[in-house]
Amino acid sequence: KQEVTQIPAALSVPEGENLVLNCSFTDSAIYNLQWFRQDPGKGLTSLLLIQSSQREQTSGRLNASLDKSSGRSTLYIAASQPGDSATYLCAVNDYKLSFGAGTTVTVRA
Amino acid sequence: GAVVSQHPSWVICKSGTSVKIECRSLDFQATTMFWYRQFPKQSLMLMATSNEGSKATYEQGVEKDKFLINHASLTLSTLTVTSAHPEDSSFYICSARDRRPNTDTQYFGPGTRLTVL
Repeated sequence: KQEVTQIPAALSVPEGENLVLNCSFTDSAIYNLQWFRQDPGKGLTSLLLIQSSQREQTSGRLNASLDKSSGRSTLYIAASQPGDSATYLCAVNDYKLSFGAGTTVTVRA
Repeated sequence: GAVVSQHPSWVICKSGTSVKIECRSLDFQATTMFWYRQFPKQSLMLMATSNEGSKATYEQGVEKDKFLINHASLTLSTLTVTSAHPEDSSFYICSARDRRPNTDTQYFGPGTRLTVL
């Protein structure tokens, strides 16, 4: 059974600082990995999807890397802003999506 | 882009009643839809996989007689919480898998907040 772990569980940084969110998974036989953002009481917003054959994906200030062999992915958010405050979830797709518990980010103005 | 809707977005009901939640893929056909449940400050837990025209596959520990899933068309899946109790209060999210060529992505609905009094 796929196990997905996200570290840290919570993170508080001053505005402008870069964010590093970590995700690890136990079974490397995956199709892809996806990073989501979830605001309180809301649904999921897809941020980045990395196929198993890719090493990284970038979108604006967001960059996600994938090291499938070691079972790790990292989401980098450059120059954080208060609007980046949310919970970030990673999900591993091995036909079914398995979610981590998330990292709750607070960016202080 | 692919859009998935859920209805209702929130519902409050009395204990013992049944509640139906709809999940629709608006601009693509979804042969497979998924139902998740999320408790406060916890991650999403897969409840069941719904395939069009066949019975749903439930995850271990999920009562199939309590959470009835119907996937009657390529754009609609429904989750019915039967004889709801306060412990069923949760945030329910569906997703639909886009199986068009060169895609294999799940798109998520906005979620339904269920509160059972």
